[in-house]
Amino acid sequence: GAGVSQSPSNKVTEKGKDVELRCDPISGHTALYWYRQSLGQGLEFLIYFQGNSAPDKSGLPSDRFSAERTGGSVSTLTIQRTQQEDSAVYLCASSLAHSGDTQYFGPGTRLTVL
Amino acid sequence: GENVEQHPSTLSVQEGDSAVIKCTYSDSASNYFPWYKQELGKGPQLIIDIRSNVGEKKDQRIAVTLNKTAKHFSLHITETQPEDSAVYFCAASKGNFNKFYFGSGTKLNVKP
Repeated sequence: GAGVSQSPSNKVTEKGKDVELRCDPISGHTALYWYRQSLGQGLEFLIYFQGNSAPDKSGLPSDRFSAERTGGSVSTLTIQRTQQEDSAVYLCASSLAHSGDTQYFGPGTRLTVL
Repeated sequence: GENVEQHPSTLSVQEGDSAVIKCTYSDSASNYFPWYKQELGKGPQLIIDIRSNVGEKKDQRIAVTLNKTAKHFSLHITETQPEDSAVYFCAASKGNFNKFYFGSGTKLNVKP
């Protein structure tokens, strides 16, 4: 079946502009995670959605970052007033539940802020 | 919060040799430890995981060991092949699994 998809695959933007990154999780997966991966670094947790529960936003680095998940499926990560330090690969993952089920990652969106 | 450290950052081995990657964690409440393989341009893929009630788990050429007392866990790859070349990440999570803490990654190069 289809895996986790993300769009766009690459995004180049100018400093100060807003960007939206999209994640389509695997159908039926109730848990959705966003991570940021800077060059040569590990994955930094950003936000977690589980079903209809309030999301865990504790990893968002600033109030310029926000995310939503509509209808318990598609998620959008929005970065307002982008800065050069926001340049990274943004990865989305989904899992069937939150009980330690395998996280399936998408291919990521490479964001470059000029 | 949890802090996961991973070593080495790069590892080069000859095809057929074994490779070992080690991670330590700080939060004794962490109880789930997955390992991911990330190939160039792709998202990480789970290759093996272990829970805190188990000391060792094996799947063909890969194995993971966990020492809860010392708070460290290791990935072992035997009979390495060139297709094992990738970046490997360890991670740790607590019982609610809403947050995973990742190591900084190990770039494994298997020379033919």
